[in-house]
Amino acid sequence: DVKVTQSSRYLVKRTGEKVFLECVQDMDHENMFWYRQDPGLGLRLIYFSYDVKMKEKGDIPEGYSVSREKKERFSLILESASTNQTSMYLCASSFGGIDEQFFGPGTRLTVL
Amino acid sequence: SQQGEEDPQALSIQEGENATMNCSYKTSINNLQWYRQNSGRGLVHLILIRSNEREKHSGRLRVTLDTSKKSSSLLITASRAADTASYFCATDANNAGNMLTFGGGTRLMVKP
Repeated sequence: DVKVTQSSRYLVKRTGEKVFLECVQDMDHENMFWYRQDPGLGLRLIYFSYDVKMKEKGDIPEGYSVSREKKERFSLILESASTNQTSMYLCASSFGGIDEQFFGPGTRLTVL
Repeated sequence: SQQGEEDPQALSIQEGENATMNCSYKTSINNLQWYRQNSGRGLVHLILIRSNEREKHSGRLRVTLDTSKKSSSLLITASRAADTASYFCATDANNAGNMLTFGGGTRLMVKP
C-alpha cells in the first residue's frame, strides 16, 4: 500500500515564523503535490513537483516555497507565516500527474 | 476558478437510501476522479473514469460521465452511516498541465 506521511498533524506557529511542512512517500512516485484546504474553497494547489529538484507553481503559490531534494520527500516552506495561512495542508503523490493521487493525513496549521 | 463543481454542497439521507452527487466541469478532460474525505483526514481515491467511458462501477459506487454535458455523477447505493464524509470530484483539464483540479465537495451525512 502507498503510504504518504506528513511531519505533523497539528502545528501552531506565530506570525513571522518560518514554517516547514514535510511530506514523505514510500512508493517511488514521480509526482508530489501540496494543497491547502479551506472551508468553502475546496482544495487549492500550492505547488507540485514532477521530479527531484523540479517544481511548478499551482494556483496559489504566493507566500510559499517548496523543496524536493530527494524523490520521496517534498517540503513546503512558509518563509514568514501569516494569519491568513492558517489552514489544513494536504500532501499527495502520484505516479503520473493526472493519475490517482494518494494523500497524507493532513497538517492543520494555526498561525497566531 | 474551480474546474469541477459539486452539487449539492450538502446532502442528508437515511441509512439504506441511495445518495447521488453531481460534478460539472468547464473544459475538455482526459479523466475524472472521485475522492472521499472523512472529517479532518486526507482524501482517499474512490474511482477514475476516462473520457471515453460512460459508466463505471466499484462495489456500491456507480459513476457516470457525460462529456457532452461536461458532467459526472457519483451514486452510492444502500448507504451506510460509515459513508458519511465529503466527496470531491477532480479533473485533469486538457490545458492544465500535469495536475488535477478539485471541486468544492459534497458533504454527505447518512443518518442511522
